[in-house]
Amino acid sequence: DAGVIQSPRHEVTEMGQEVTLRCKPISGHNSLFWYRQTMMRGLELLIYFNNNVPIDDSGMPEDRFSAKMPNASFSTLKIQPSEPRDSAVYFCASSLTAAGYEQYFGPGTRLTVT
Amino acid sequence: GDSVTQMEGPVTLSEEAFLTINCTYTATGYPSLFWYVQYPGEGLQLLLKATKADDKGSNKGFEATYRKETTSFHLEKGSVQVSDSAVYFCALSDTGRRALTFGSGTRLQVQP
Repeated sequence: DAGVIQSPRHEVTEMGQEVTLRCKPISGHNSLFWYRQTMMRGLELLIYFNNNVPIDDSGMPEDRFSAKMPNASFSTLKIQPSEPRDSAVYFCASSLTAAGYEQYFGPGTRLTVT
Repeated sequence: GDSVTQMEGPVTLSEEAFLTINCTYTATGYPSLFWYVQYPGEGLQLLLKATKADDKGSNKGFEATYRKETTSFHLEKGSVQVSDSAVYFCALSDTGRRALTFGSGTRLQVQP
């Protein structure tokens, strides 16, 4: 059974460039979460979707960040334009509402903005 | 708002030693509590959970009991192994909010 799939695993880009991170949740899960992990701030929720609808985007840092979930099996997190302070590991997680609150995490995308 | 406080790391132990990692929380509702583990270069894995007061979550020799009176969920293991070396995160999911609030993480290093 495939877990949460994220791509790319590593991304290095220059300041000002657009970055798109991708996530495929576990099949059948109806909630999807994007988190960011940094040394300074730890793990922070950016946004989460339930049944493809954004429910809470209060953690999205600013207008440079946007997230979409066009269908139940795919989500993107876009940063445009990127800045060095966006360097972090970005995790996607999914869960099944009926099974409780546990979330299953992908391996993460390590983003470096130079 | 909700918050989770974990003991500062790193915690360094010898193999077969007893482990305790403290976790306390504040929540506006009645949260579910979790411990996640992160191995180097990997995502977080659910280690155990508890959904109501006095519940004990357990997995792979790790245990934690939901203590509502002290708002705590301390992680314990009777005999650690080198393979347990990782970062451990305490987290909560509050009533009506599916997203997790994480503690800062505690790095465990087990020496042979």
